[in-house]
Amino acid sequence: DQQVKQNSPSLSVQEGRISILNCDYTNSMFDYFLWYKKYPAEGPTFLISISSIKDKNEDGRFTVFLNKSAKHLSLHIVPSQPGDSAVYFCAASAISRGGSNYKLTFGKGTLLTVNP
Amino acid sequence: DADVTQTPRNRITKTGKRIMLECSQTKGHDRMYWYRQDPGLGLRLIYYSFDVKDINKGEISDGYSVSRQAQAKFSLSLESAIPNQTALYFCATSQPGRTSYGYTFGSGTRLTVV
Repeated sequence: DQQVKQNSPSLSVQEGRISILNCDYTNSMFDYFLWYKKYPAEGPTFLISISSIKDKNEDGRFTVFLNKSAKHLSLHIVPSQPGDSAVYFCAASAISRGGSNYKLTFGKGTLLTVNP
Repeated sequence: DADVTQTPRNRITKTGKRIMLECSQTKGHDRMYWYRQDPGLGLRLIYYSFDVKDINKGEISDGYSVSRQAQAKFSLSLESAIPNQTALYFCATSQPGRTSYGYTFGSGTRLTVV
């Protein structure tokens, strides 16, 4: 049972255009969401996060939008650059019953290719 | 030096062999995790440890075991490696409680079982 879903395995965009990566979740207990970027031969690195009390968080070219009613979040990259080409993982966490373990649940990832 | 170091970076081993992947961290984090990444399957949790005496199974722990030798060290063992354990393995660390950035990952170990 996949609780965090990234339904697009890959996305290709032109340099300078907007990249939109989508993520859906099923667990209504999730209250914090993160995006990680992963280059080949490297570990994932943190990109941006958002709490469920917000619907938008922006950091430079990267903006994450959260629609709680739809259980959907998206990462917007504007403008896209060739160096943004990587796998992007969506992740979610929740306070577990009986404790605050905050384990992350990851989606399968989306490979973004930004063409020059 | 990297905050989270995994050794070896690459390893080829034969079916049936025992192999250990090692992870050490200088972040001072209490919590450590082992994930594997397979094409199309994303990151799946193998084992996690919230402190030296607290070790828990993740979603795909069968065929794996772990040892938390110290706060800074968390090893993953494959007792008898099989080809479908060929994957990219990542160690990660985190603080107790929630941080804006979640986990810090190592660079990964690419394991091939032939």
